[in-house]
Amino acid sequence: DGGITQSPKYLFRKEGQNVTLSCEQNLNHDAMYWYRQDPGQGLRLIYYSQIVNDFQKGDIAEGYSVSREKKESFPLTVTSAQKNPTAFYLCASSIGTGHHSGNTIYFGEGSWLTVV
Amino acid sequence: AQTVTQSQPEMSVQEAETVTLSCTYDTSENNYYLFWYKQPPSRQMILVIRQEAYKQQNATENRFSVNFQKAAKSFSLKISDSQLGDTAMYFCASSFVIQGAQKLVFGQGTRLTINP
Repeated sequence: DGGITQSPKYLFRKEGQNVTLSCEQNLNHDAMYWYRQDPGQGLRLIYYSQIVNDFQKGDIAEGYSVSREKKESFPLTVTSAQKNPTAFYLCASSIGTGHHSGNTIYFGEGSWLTVV
Repeated sequence: AQTVTQSQPEMSVQEAETVTLSCTYDTSENNYYLFWYKQPPSRQMILVIRQEAYKQQNATENRFSVNFQKAAKSFSLKISDSQLGDTAMYFCASSFVIQGAQKLVFGQGTRLTINP
């Protein structure tokens, strides 16, 4: 089945550790995104990528890093510089590479990250 | 800056009733789309309906319809004959292109409960 797979579903991080959230899509989409959701709030954009080997910072990129070495993969690393990383993280993708604001953005099932 | 505001944090109705969720937005863009996403307890974001700003006709998807008032920058969602499965968080979002990339801005969400 086509879709977006995020792993792990639940992740616990110790203070000072970097952790990486995986996101894989088999929809042949060019654009991929990472969003953060805090309890009772909407989604905020962390990073996005329109094409392989290129990505841009979103609204809350500090303390995060990404890579886009393959079209289908867009992993997110939460670094120790992120002071409040406990949140729900959603990966998403869309078919277009921009210049069109109407592409549907599809979401994965999300990953819970908790700092212990 | 693009902003989306949902003024109703929570709503509750009886099964089979009609419910309307409010959304207002602010944008300086001429070409944009508006979306409603549903987030059930599973936390996956599911597209409910979308509206192109150029189209005056309100979008409809089965029991879901919108009331798009462009001049007032209002984009409300009406759910007719509500069902228990409609219980979820609902997010309004505006989509626009910036620096060649599509971006979504989300509201804070409305938690909708359908009671039997």
